[in-house]
Amino acid sequence: EVQLVESGGGLVQPGGSLRLSCAASGFTFSSYSMNWVRQAPGKGLEWVSYISSSSSTIYYADSVKGRFTISRDNAKNSLYLQMNSLRAEDTAVYYCARDHLAALNYWGQGTLVTVSS
Amino acid sequence: QSALTQPASVSGSPGQSITISCTGTSSDVGGYNYVSWYQQHPGKAPKLMIYEVSNRPSGVSNRFSGSKSGNTASLTISGLQAEDEADYYCSSYTSSSTLAVFGTGTKVTVL
Repeated sequence: EVQLVESGGGLVQPGGSLRLSCAASGFTFSSYSMNWVRQAPGKGLEWVSYISSSSSTIYYADSVKGRFTISRDNAKNSLYLQMNSLRAEDTAVYYCARDHLAALNYWGQGTLVTVSS
Repeated sequence: QSALTQPASVSGSPGQSITISCTGTSSDVGGYNYVSWYQQHPGKAPKLMIYEVSNRPSGVSNRFSGSKSGNTASLTISGLQAEDEADYYCSSYTSSSTLAVFGTGTKVTVL
């Protein structure tokens, strides 16, 4: 069974940093591209970042470019999102999701990030 | 990259069919057959319902179907059921400097 479990969310002050993790199991992690998607409270989905299976190709949404860094460790079956210079508008539930034919066919349960003083 | 445009809400009675539109541009929806649709119930993670415009993942009911014409994609739910009440989002690959974009979301209400 495919499982994606996010962790690392919490309360952080504006300008602070946080590192999210996503532990994958039930599939060959190193064979799949992965994504981060977020959802602000009461709002819609926003795609955040993409990383290919070998980490050779990475994309970011304009809203996080230069502040967030996606990475992965295939030996540890883990996906990461380093978030720096956090703003109030980054407050959201962050989901990791597995890529399949340009669609996201498996999602984690999400981890809440709250940016507030 | 602007979000794809969806109606805020669509409603229907049990057994009826409804269609949700998703309008983009030639740089996203109109330019590629990489449109997907997601269902999200309150407090839950999204679930993939349609990929590559019209393909259904294993386990998704055949009451859900997708199509595309020009810059607009559509999701049709036939034989509407109470369990279909949820938020629905479209998504598309985009040729912009980013990679993907979601729609604004549509709340489906079963009357």
